Amino acid sequence: DIQMTQSPSSLSASVGDRVAITCRASQSISTDLNWYQQKPGQAPSLLIYTASTLQSGVPSRFSGSASGTDFTLTISSLQPEDFATYYCQQSNRVPITFGQGTRLEIK
Amino acid sequence: QVLLVQSGAEVEKSGASVKVSCKASGYTFAGYYIHWVRQAPGQGLEWMGWINPNTGDPNYAQKFQGRVTLTTDTSVNTAYLELGRLRSDDTAVYFCARDRGGSNYGDFDSWGQGTLVTVSS
Repeated sequence: DIQMTQSPSSLSASVGDRVAITCRASQSISTDLNWYQQKPGQAPSLLIYTASTLQSGVPSRFSGSASGTDFTLTISSLQPEDFATYYCQQSNRVPITFGQGTRLEIK
Repeated sequence: QVLLVQSGAEVEKSGASVKVSCKASGYTFAGYYIHWVRQAPGQGLEWMGWINPNTGDPNYAQKFQGRVTLTTDTSVNTAYLELGRLRSDDTAVYFCARDRGGSNYGDFDSWGQGTLVTVSS
């Protein structure tokens, strides 16, 4: 199975900050990497697919990038509604696997 | 709009089976794969498998092979997950999710609200 390792596991930041969350795949997955946001008690929602394509309706402050097996989700200017848990997910090979999550908290 | 509505919470005993439904609306049900993902309390996300509603063909994560069955009923636009031989570590919220593309892209653009399955000994 492809292992997805996110860092950091948790992050404290303030409104207006620029933050980055990284995800490393245990082997090559091309750009088959997706990012989700999950708020407490809710289902996840798709933010970015194929590493860098913004899902329809997602604010442009979210962006994604890739370099080999390393992937980054960047939020350019944190808004109050962005405090949540973020997951990366690879869709290159079965079984589909997720990172362990990054909890973004208000400082 | 695309909507996936799941059945309500279940409490089952160890060794029993549970069946969760996921009713789709707002799009052509047969045109998009449905995936199932679960989340244990306070834990991350775990993919269980997918099903092609057009053909009824499933693909299961090896971890669940032999215990999980995914089916669809296109007459009522509903997908089902059945998990057997339940154990306490199967206690989780189970989500259905729609694949973004007409073919199996493996990313999920719409999700059900989740169904809590509690397994008691």
